[in-house]
Amino acid sequence: NAGVTQTPKFQVLKTGQSMTLQCAQDMNHNSMYWYRQDPGMGLRLIYYSASEGTTDKGEVPNGYNVSRLNKREFSLRLESAAPSQTSVYFCASSDQDGPNYNEQFFGPGTRLTVL
Amino acid sequence: GNSVTQMEGPVTLSEEAFLTINCTYTATGYPSLFWYVQYPGEGLQLLLKATKADDKGSNKGFEATYRKETTSFHLEKGSVQVSDSAVYFCALRRMDSSYKLIFGSGTRLLVRP
Repeated sequence: NAGVTQTPKFQVLKTGQSMTLQCAQDMNHNSMYWYRQDPGMGLRLIYYSASEGTTDKGEVPNGYNVSRLNKREFSLRLESAAPSQTSVYFCASSDQDGPNYNEQFFGPGTRLTVL
Repeated sequence: GNSVTQMEGPVTLSEEAFLTINCTYTATGYPSLFWYVQYPGEGLQLLLKATKADDKGSNKGFEATYRKETTSFHLEKGSVQVSDSAVYFCALRRMDSSYKLIFGSGTRLLVRP
């Protein structure tokens, strides 16, 4: 049981390049989330998927797209990276019922630098 | 709107000192409240939670009580250890169908031997 996994762990991009951050969970959770973490700002929600087949914008969606590929996987795409997207990105998942209702489980993060 | 305010860090303590990290919130209704911890180089882990007023969440010697009258959820530990050095985030869960969490900005704790 790996929980939430993210790839890659580190990435350096040049301005204008594109890339996709991958996230997968093996806990059979319905909901998945993408956050970015910047110094002094806590975590801010980029996009979330309440259930398979649905996605919605969070606080800071501009410059990003997401795909909920299936129940396990939720990817985040940067179409044209900008230096302002330099950050640490976290994926999380949660269930809507059961003993861990309310708790979000986080992956280890992807540290992205855009030059 | 919904928001969470935490005391700014870093907080530096000696081992075995008493810890308080303040957290206050603004929300409609009665949100669930959480403390998450982030150890260096890792993702966030749930430390404790409380889902209704006057509930006390506790784990690993940490405690926090949901105070509706003061809209607070302060984190406390009676005797900190070096291994408690981490960043602590207070969060609330919106009381709607989105299941989204609103996080505070985080408080870095450094415990010296």
